[in-house]
Amino acid sequence: DAGVTQSPTHLIKTRGQQVTLRCSPKSGHDTVSWYQQALGQGPQFIFQYYEEEERQRGNFPDRFSGHQFPNYSSELNVNALLLGDSALYLCASSKYRGPNNEQFFGPGTRLTVL
Amino acid sequence: AQRVTQPEKLLSVFKGAPVELKCNYSYSGSPELFWYVQYSRQRLQLLLRHISRESIKGFTADLNKGETSFHLKKPFAQEEDSAMYYCALSDNNTDKLIFGTGTRLQVFP
Repeated sequence: DAGVTQSPTHLIKTRGQQVTLRCSPKSGHDTVSWYQQALGQGPQFIFQYYEEEERQRGNFPDRFSGHQFPNYSSELNVNALLLGDSALYLCASSKYRGPNNEQFFGPGTRLTVL
Repeated sequence: AQRVTQPEKLLSVFKGAPVELKCNYSYSGSPELFWYVQYSRQRLQLLLRHISRESIKGFTADLNKGETSFHLKKPFAQEEDSAMYYCALSDNNTDKLIFGTGTRLQVFP
C-alpha cells in the first residue's frame, strides 16, 4: 500500500486561473480531508468528504470546492487563484468515525501562484 | 474559539538533554489532542495521541485540562528526533484537526 498519494507534486499558476489537485486515500479508508499549509504555518482544515459529500468545512471561501468519487479518491478545486493561495496542500485519509480515526497524510502538492 | 498555541518556533538542544515542546489549547468541550511530526523530506505523521497514553520513541505527553496544555516531553533527546512537531486537536464529534504553528526541534551532537 503506497499510502495516501497526491498529484501533482508541484504546480505553478497565475492569478485568476483555476487549479485541480488530486488525492487517492490509503487502502481501506473512505474519508478524505484537505488542508492548506502556508509557509511557516500549521495545516489549516479546508473541508472533508465522505460518501461523496462535503461533511465539514473550514473557514475558506467558496472558491475552494471539492469532489469525492465512488472509489473514495478526491479532488480539490480552487477558482480565481490569488497570490495568497500559494501553499502546500495536504490530503489526509481516514476511516469515517472509526475507533481509531487516525488521519494519514499525503506528501502534499505545492502550489505557487504568480 | 478553537485554537492551538505552540509558543516556540525553534527549540535547540544537545543530544542527551531533556526536551519539552509546549502546546496550549483553547476549546470549549472535551477535545482529543495529538502530536504530529514531520521529519526532513517525509510526510506528516502521527506521533502520539492523548487517549492512547503511550510512549512513542521515548516521547510522552500528558493532557492537563486545568492548564489546557499538552506538552511533549522526552528525557534524553537523540539526533534523529530533529524534526518539525505540530500539536493538534479535534473534538469528539468530528475528525477535523486544528493545528498549531509548529516547533522545529534541532538536536545537536
